[in-house]
Amino acid sequence: EAQVTQNPRYLITVTGKKLTVTCSQNMNHEYMSWYRQDPGLGLRQIYYSMNVEVTDKGDVPEGYKVSRKEKRNFPLILESPSPNQTSLYFCASSIKTGFRSSTDTQYFGPGTRLTVL
Amino acid sequence: GDSVTQMEGPVTLSEEAFLTINCTYTATGYPSLFWYVQYPGEGLQLLLKATKADDKGSNKGFEATYRKETTSFHLEKGSVQVSDSAVYFCALSDLSGTSGTYKYIFGTGTRLKVLA
Repeated sequence: EAQVTQNPRYLITVTGKKLTVTCSQNMNHEYMSWYRQDPGLGLRQIYYSMNVEVTDKGDVPEGYKVSRKEKRNFPLILESPSPNQTSLYFCASSIKTGFRSSTDTQYFGPGTRLTVL
Repeated sequence: GDSVTQMEGPVTLSEEAFLTINCTYTATGYPSLFWYVQYPGEGLQLLLKATKADDKGSNKGFEATYRKETTSFHLEKGSVQVSDSAVYFCALSDLSGTSGTYKYIFGTGTRLKVLA
């Protein structure tokens, strides 16, 4: 089954304790992205990756790191989490993006609800 | 920079009522436009899309037309059902400045509640 998986689905942690949220897709997609969803703010893009070893900042990258060593995986790293990073996180992927491309539909994972105390 | 503005919710309708959720955008290039839907406890899934001006996206009775002259992509459905209750997000993808990469911008979401 074609899908985007995220782990863990729920995480409660404390300030300053490094954590990683994994994201994996089995559709051979080039483009992958991380978002956070907060009430009243919708989805905001954290980081995205056009392909292996190619990553770029979205609108809210502060406090986050990513890496894209393999095409299928795009982990999100919080080196020193803070309470303002409490949020619902979504990973997404698409075949690729391009000018008026028909291949830029994003497929979303189920979400990771993170609470930082 | 690019942005997406959609009407605030919640929108509460009776079953079989007509639905409109407004969405307008600003973009520097020629964006693709999308509507995504999020059901309770789930991730987002594509509802419909349009990639150029005057294109109409449609799916499951929902429609939206890419209007470049008014920079709008309003979502409509002629007769809503209880099962349409969800949060709806308008979004665009566009070339990001000089970096040659593509960014996605989402609106804040509109919650729809349909009563039986």
